[in-house]
Amino acid sequence: AQSVSQHNHHVILSEAASLELGCNYSYGGTVNLFWYVQYPGQHLQLLLKYFSGDPLVKGIKGFEAEFIKSKFSFNLRKPSVQWSDTAEYFCAVIPYNAGNMLTFGGGTRLMVKP
Amino acid sequence: KAGVTQTPRYLIKTRGQQVTLSCSPISGHRSVSWYQQTPGQGLQFLFEYFSETQRNKGNFPGRFSGRQFSNSRSEMNVSTLELGDSALYLCASSVGQGARDTQYFGPGTRLTVL
Repeated sequence: AQSVSQHNHHVILSEAASLELGCNYSYGGTVNLFWYVQYPGQHLQLLLKYFSGDPLVKGIKGFEAEFIKSKFSFNLRKPSVQWSDTAEYFCAVIPYNAGNMLTFGGGTRLMVKP
Repeated sequence: KAGVTQTPRYLIKTRGQQVTLSCSPISGHRSVSWYQQTPGQGLQFLFEYFSETQRNKGNFPGRFSGRQFSNSRSEMNVSTLELGDSALYLCASSVGQGARDTQYFGPGTRLTVL
């Protein structure tokens, strides 16, 4: 079965620091890739998604992610984090022809110190 | 447009009991998916319904079941509750059942089994 790995479970950064969260998946075929974010006390919401085309995708709030097929990776980046980015971030995969069944990584808790 | 709503928001049950959770999707959305979120196992897919039919099912025992009504509202039922069923149960709705249909998550129902 496919799996999604997020190697950083907890990340602490100061404001204005750059962020990169790692995500690797194990599925060998075509995949659809997502990053979701869960702010404290709020619903899980979509940050960005990749289906095909340009491997560098931009999402909301200045986030971007790069799909590297050879590395089975879809890392999330932000050049300069803000205190309001404190949240839990989830990488997720839907393999081709799997409907909309999301397989999530374990999540990364990001704390941004003001 | 109103978001995904889930009722009740909190539930406390005892082992052996059964429970029914409800999800009302965003108006016009025909697909509803359910996920279980626990600290140990993270976010796991339970099942997905589209046009009143279960389209996908995750790796959960038969005690977990669901259904979808003609107005797209969905319920999930857990029978013979176990302590390990304590979790946040999330519902997500989307227009269609494809991977490219963004899933919008509700606030969840927090179930505690004593």
